[in-house]
Amino acid sequence: GAVVSQHPSWVICKSGTSVKIECRSLDFQATTMFWYRQFPKQSLMLMATSNEGSKATYEQGVEKDKFLINHASLTLSTLTVTSAHPEDSSFYICSARDKAPEAFFGQGTRLTVV
Amino acid sequence: DQQVKQNSPSLSVQEGRISILNCDYTNSMFDYFLWYKKYPAEGPTFLISISSIKDKNEDGRFTVFLNKSAKHLSLHIVPSQPGDSAVYFCAALYGKLTFGQGTILTVHP
Repeated sequence: GAVVSQHPSWVICKSGTSVKIECRSLDFQATTMFWYRQFPKQSLMLMATSNEGSKATYEQGVEKDKFLINHASLTLSTLTVTSAHPEDSSFYICSARDKAPEAFFGQGTRLTVV
Repeated sequence: DQQVKQNSPSLSVQEGRISILNCDYTNSMFDYFLWYKKYPAEGPTFLISISSIKDKNEDGRFTVFLNKSAKHLSLHIVPSQPGDSAVYFCAALYGKLTFGQGTILTVHP
């Protein structure tokens, strides 16, 4: 399958600071990228969908000013958690797809806000 | 509103036997269905998919069956191996992927 690389795999930050997570499609051009959040023992919750060169579409209840998404190229999307608080601690996962239905996922990022 | 449901939180199977993972959905607009395997603290790995116009797709030990009238799909793993132990998510596509809650599969040696 196609390869999606997510970085960093884990990060600890202080409350009030911002954290940037990168998602790269390594061997294909991702027309669409998705950002998910997973709480312990729960399913993946879609946060937002981004298409290259356009603004992200956020799911209901997701604060767009808090979770900034940039999809500047066909191989890179970034998620910035601004002014992070302990309740933002979670496992964040990106996925990417081209025109095919299958989406491929990054390794995930464990964010801990202290 | 849970549009994709995996009603079995867990499944335990003996090595060599068949594992059957089930998934139900409510939205008839879904046009593609996918199964993913996930280990803790990792992203999901794509396993197999099926278009809504088909009723079966097979890839090695994995077969997915789709019953559109019942809005039900299942993943069969034959023979099951200990390395198959993981959380399995079904997902349905209509513009975006909607995931079920996942089923923890444990394959005992």
